[in-house]
Amino acid sequence: QVTLRESGPALVKPTQTLTLTCTFSGFSLSTSGMCVSWIRQPPGKALEWLALIDWDDDKYYSTSLKTRLTISKDTSKNQVVLTMTNMDPVDTATYYCARAITMVQGVPAGGYYFDYWGQGTLVTVSS
Amino acid sequence: DIQMTQSPSSLSASVGDRVTITCRASQGISNSLAWYQQKPGKAPKLLLYAASRLESGVPSRFSGSGSGTDYTLTISSLQPEDFATYYCQQYYSTLFTFGPGTKVDIK
Repeated sequence: QVTLRESGPALVKPTQTLTLTCTFSGFSLSTSGMCVSWIRQPPGKALEWLALIDWDDDKYYSTSLKTRLTISKDTSKNQVVLTMTNMDPVDTATYYCARAITMVQGVPAGGYYFDYWGQGTLVTVSS
Repeated sequence: DIQMTQSPSSLSASVGDRVTITCRASQGISNSLAWYQQKPGKAPKLLLYAASRLESGVPSRFSGSGSGTDYTLTISSLQPEDFATYYCQQYYSTLFTFGPGTKVDIK
């Protein structure tokens, strides 16, 4: 059974750095084709993709946010960490982590769509 | 980045109605398109991928079609549990982008 769970502070102050952790089970990020991504959603607004890391430690970032984001993985702990610097009230959102599979047993399969999601964690940026 | 648009932004429909939502990409995405359903306070749920492939466990009343830049999500007979917001997402480019969403509510 695949599960993902986001954790981190509910409240951060402007200019601070946000660190979020995605802890997952039911798959391993050392398996070829596995990827974990971060996606956020401001209250009442649309989904926004932020970053993705794959089994080979390749990393992809949103064009508009790439200077502020860092994604990393700890395969032994089944965790993916996202840091976002210089937080601003406009960054208030629910942050989700989600899984994608791009390869199965070395054969391209699936794609960068997100089949399992965490329940999300609301981060409010306010002084 | 590839921009995604959806139409309509919202619609009102009745149980049993046939509903169609359109998603358009700013450039061709070769069927690298997924559809998600999101209910209030919940995470999005994957419905379809590769434009027309139904995710396991998703009812067959959901279907997808399209090519190039234009794609559609169709619900053949709207059920009470289908009232939600629907998002498309392109994964042709590794700068993934979502559409702005289409809210389906009760007429």
